[in-house]
Amino acid sequence: AQSVTQLGSHVSVSEGALVLLRCNYSSSVPPYLFWYVQYPNQGLQLLLKYTSAATLVKGINGFEAEFKKSETSFHLTKPSAHMSDAAEYFCAVSDRSNYKLTFGKGTLLTVNP
Amino acid sequence: DGGITQSPKYLFRKEGQNVTLSCEQNLNHDAMYWYRQDPGQGLRLIYYSQIVNDFQKGDIAEGYSVSREKKESFPLTVTSAQKNPTAFYLCASSTGLADYGYTFGSGTRLTVV
Repeated sequence: AQSVTQLGSHVSVSEGALVLLRCNYSSSVPPYLFWYVQYPNQGLQLLLKYTSAATLVKGINGFEAEFKKSETSFHLTKPSAHMSDAAEYFCAVSDRSNYKLTFGKGTLLTVNP
Repeated sequence: DGGITQSPKYLFRKEGQNVTLSCEQNLNHDAMYWYRQDPGQGLRLIYYSQIVNDFQKGDIAEGYSVSREKKESFPLTVTSAQKNPTAFYLCASSTGLADYGYTFGSGTRLTVV
């Protein structure tokens, strides 16, 4: 069975600071990994995904994530936070035999002026 | 543009009444899902459907019912048996390919008074 752990239910950064949101996964087979963003009272929007091409994946809004098999991690980063980045972020995993996604519990990102 | 439409955006109902949430997609996706979202609890799967006229219970199906008579539509009924129905409900769809991920609707916020 696959699972996702997002370390830190709430992360707070200053505007202009580095954003680092952590995601570790467990999967018996090489996974596909996803990051989604959710703004208040909206649905989830795909930020980026890893599907076994390049291990460093670039997404929308300046975010990127690196797949590290040895650490079973897929952390999300952005060099400089903007106020508009304030949202909840979800990491998700699927294995190659099952298209269903397993989601982490989410990390709420707050950006302080 | 293709996408998923959830309606209404906000819904108010009296306790003891059944209510149906609409989810329509024009993406030609085979699979559709319903999630419930409560603060701090992430996404919890209610029901999912991989094909027309077939659906499976998710983790929290009690008090809910669904139908899948058309590929485009996957309505969710919140019955009076659901003990705590006030929540944000999200519908999603996918192609059935493991590397696609999900496309989400914008959600329906149900408040039962």
